[in-house]
Amino acid sequence: QVQLQQWGAGLLKPSETLSLTCAVYGGSFSGYYWSWIRQPPGKGLEWIGEINHSGSTNYSPSLKSRVTISVDTSKNQFSLKLSSVTAADTAVYYCARAPPTRYCSSTSCLMKGGYMDVWGKGTTVTVSS
Amino acid sequence: EIVLTQSPGTLSLSPGERATLSCRASQSVSSSYLAWYQQKPGQAPRLLIYGASSRATGIPERFSGSGSGTDFTLTITRLEPEDFAVYYCQQYGSSPRTFGQGTKLEIK
Repeated sequence: QVQLQQWGAGLLKPSETLSLTCAVYGGSFSGYYWSWIRQPPGKGLEWIGEINHSGSTNYSPSLKSRVTISVDTSKNQFSLKLSSVTAADTAVYYCARAPPTRYCSSTSCLMKGGYMDVWGKGTTVTVSS
Repeated sequence: EIVLTQSPGTLSLSPGERATLSCRASQSVSSSYLAWYQQKPGQAPRLLIYGASSRATGIPERFSGSGSGTDFTLTITRLEPEDFAVYYCQQYGSSPRTFGQGTKLEIK
């Protein structure tokens, strides 16, 4: 049974860099995409981005300029960095597993993550001066 | 980006009743790449449905999904006490992946 365990700093000051790590236990690491999602207090979910075991990434355009997702296959871990945080980045951050999904155009197909089937418990990150 | 609008915002029902939750997309969701999640207070979301109508592993048969194009529905046939929660739809047919704002299912 796959479990995701996540950790990182919970209190940041404006302009600092958020850093979270998620470890994958009990399942295949290479066959999936590994995602980050966040949820501001009392609000809905926002997809941040994803990475696969090869290091191929996809990011949300709204956060792309500040986000870096990396992977350490030797430890079955992946990490999120979000730079220049503000109060608007205060949220619960979740890591999650996304089975590969096929996307085809008229000329070619590629694989990316799609829905998220296994989630970490979440890390509360507060940005405050 | 595709905007998902869920309705109603809050649904008040009693155990044993049938719940029908709607998710409408601002443009067609390709390949019916739509998922539904359940979230209880203080917990991570749980996947219920993917591909618009496929139940995730371990999800009871009382949960079913339907729809295509821009209109999708999550139906819970006979509500159990543990079903009262917030439900989110998510599209993954185009980038970026987006979520609806949620429907809160509360006990009447």
